[in-house]
Amino acid sequence: EPEVTQTPSHQVTQMGQEVILRCVPISNHLYFYWYRQILGQKVEFLVSFYNNEISEKSEIFDDQFSVERPDGSNFTLKIRSTKLEDSAMYFCASVRDRGMNTEAFFGQGTRLTVV
Amino acid sequence: KQEVTQIPAALSVPEGENLVLNCSFTDSAIYNLQWFRQDPGKGLTSLLLIQSSQREQTSGRLNASLDKSSGRSTLYIAASQPGDSATYLCAVRHLGSGNTGKLIFGQGTTLQVKP
Repeated sequence: EPEVTQTPSHQVTQMGQEVILRCVPISNHLYFYWYRQILGQKVEFLVSFYNNEISEKSEIFDDQFSVERPDGSNFTLKIRSTKLEDSAMYFCASVRDRGMNTEAFFGQGTRLTVV
Repeated sequence: KQEVTQIPAALSVPEGENLVLNCSFTDSAIYNLQWFRQDPGKGLTSLLLIQSSQREQTSGRLNASLDKSSGRSTLYIAASQPGDSATYLCAVRHLGSGNTGKLIFGQGTTLQVKP
């Protein structure tokens, strides 16, 4: 069964460093998302991406964040200068289309720890 | 603004019991509602999706219902097993999001099924 793949599974970085989280969405999907989950809190939407551009972003997704689909298969989330409060589980998701019966599929997540 | 709430936050039951998890949302203008399972430190596994025009969906021992007008969904688990122990999340795809497909999550119900 097709799945969303995320790497790395766990990343530890020092405050102020740049990190890139990587995702390979399901191959025939057209819509891509990043969500995050701070420990003990809700899963929160960060950004949606379609047709090589951001279609929606949340208040959390400030200038420190960027997304890219560099080669038609990978989908990346970059955090330019990490802060302690960026420590969270980051999930990538993809959706085939925007029909009512379309499921969102999530990756296993990248646990980011900022020290 | 769409808000999703899940009650109870935690539930512990003996093996074999039937149980119901609750999800409520404040705005009935949704495309669909999706139930996920999350094991500790892991990703989100899609369990069931209910379109806004549907009343229920079934998969094995799971049955999800949707009452859009009252802003409620339930996930019924029959004959619970220790392997069902996990956190169950509901998420709505809200019409007001410009149909970017983003999901709004509840905080989850953590289920423990004791042998």
